[in-house]
Amino acid sequence: GAVVSQHPSRVICKSGTSVKIECRSLDFQATTMFWYRQFPKKSLMLMATSNEGSKATYEQGVEKDKFLINHASLTLSTLTVTSAHPEDSSFYICSGGQGDTEAFFGQGTRLTVV
Amino acid sequence: DAKTTQPPSMDCAEGRAANLPCNHSTISGNEYVYWYRQIHSQGPQYIIHGLKNNETNEMASLIITEDRKSSTLILPHATLRDTAVYYCIVRHSGGSNYKLTFGKGTLLTVNP
Repeated sequence: GAVVSQHPSRVICKSGTSVKIECRSLDFQATTMFWYRQFPKKSLMLMATSNEGSKATYEQGVEKDKFLINHASLTLSTLTVTSAHPEDSSFYICSGGQGDTEAFFGQGTRLTVV
Repeated sequence: DAKTTQPPSMDCAEGRAANLPCNHSTISGNEYVYWYRQIHSQGPQYIIHGLKNNETNEMASLIITEDRKSSTLILPHATLRDTAVYYCIVRHSGGSNYKLTFGKGTLLTVNP
C-alpha cells in the first residue's frame, strides 16, 4: 500500500521554541493531507486539513497561528508548532492517500516540550 | 458522518478468532464502514472497509448486517501483535480526501 513517512518520530524542545514536523507521501501524490493530535489514552483529534497550494482548513478550537501548516508540494506537508509550551506535548499524526483509496497514516511524532 | 458505538475493551486468546462489534444505527445509504487499528505509539493502520456486502482481505473480514445498522470485524486467528485499539468509522465518502472522525475505539488485548 501507499506509504506516508513522518519525521521526526520523537522530538524534545524547550518551551518557547518552534518545532517542524514533516509528512511525506513516498509513492503517491496527495492533494489533501490531514493532521491529527492525540493525547495520552485519548483518541485522535483532527487538527486541520492541509491542501496543496492553498491555505489549510483548521478545526474549531485549533489556533492557526500556533500550528502553521504548509503544503507546498504534492508530496510534502509540514506542521510547525510555534512557541511551544508544555501543554502542546502530544502525539502528532498525519495522513494522506491517493484520493480514491483509503487513507494512510504516518508513524506519528511524539513531541515533548520541557 | 454517522456515530458509532464500540465496546471499550475486549480480550481474546491467541490463535482464536477475535470478533469486534460496532453499532452504527444511524448510518445512511451512501455511508461506508471503515476499520482502522492503532498499535501503541504508532499511527493508525487501515484494515478494511465496506458499503453493503461482506468483505475479506488478508488481514480481516468485515460482516455488515443486512440493515447496515451494525457490523463485525473478524480477525480469524488473533496473534499477540494484533493487540491494539480498533476504530470503527462511518463516513460518507470513500477515498482519502475526506477526513476521518475517530471515536474511542475498542482496545483488543490478545492473551497468550
